[in-house]
Amino acid sequence: DADVTQTPRNRITKTGKRIMLECSQTKGHDRMYWYRQDPGLGLRLIYYSFDVKDINKGEISDGYSVSRQAQAKFSLSLESAIPNQTALYFCATSDFSAMGSGRIRETQYFGPGTRLLVL
Amino acid sequence: RKEVEQDPGPFNVPEGATVAFNCTYSNSASQSFFWYRQDCRKEPKLLMSVYSSGNEDGRFTAQLNRASQYISLLIRDSKLSDSATYLCVVNSLSHQTGANNLFFGTGTRLTVIP
Repeated sequence: DADVTQTPRNRITKTGKRIMLECSQTKGHDRMYWYRQDPGLGLRLIYYSFDVKDINKGEISDGYSVSRQAQAKFSLSLESAIPNQTALYFCATSDFSAMGSGRIRETQYFGPGTRLLVL
Repeated sequence: RKEVEQDPGPFNVPEGATVAFNCTYSNSASQSFFWYRQDCRKEPKLLMSVYSSGNEDGRFTAQLNRASQYISLLIRDSKLSDSATYLCVVNSLSHQTGANNLFFGTGTRLTVIP
């Protein structure tokens, strides 16, 4: 079974609709992330959470909201979808640890992605 | 200016060839560096971390040049299974969030040809 799962895997919606993308993990990590990936732009951070009570905006949070329902669950909502939110969305967890001198050890584990098309 | 820049390629190389990718980063205070691999229509996966002294993992060698702010990945004896997009990733302080976040390059696409 996959350690990080995302539902749905594909979604087509219309402009103005509210949709929710869900992410679950069995890795026991505190840190979870939502990214979107667009051709030519790479992965960009939308929101992240370092634990259940911690939610932080990423580089491109406008038009999105998140909810960290439990350590294992982190959902992303588009309150009123617009066509430029068409993208591939990835959830990730990480096993972050500080190694001193500003260095970190971190591996991010990604879910399989959700392809979203907003018409 | 982007935090991380990569040549998108594509790089088309024959099996057995040696290929190298470079990546530059803009924040001189960045401390941690990684290469991720992403197969077509799949999620990114960590390939290797990049250490100051350089490091090797089988056919893969990663180097860091802090003075010039670039990271490299060398793949020797290319295999068909190496065909993928390679993402350069840097942990930097985000001016947007005020926290250290991972910044991903757009990726360099590699195709190994039989």
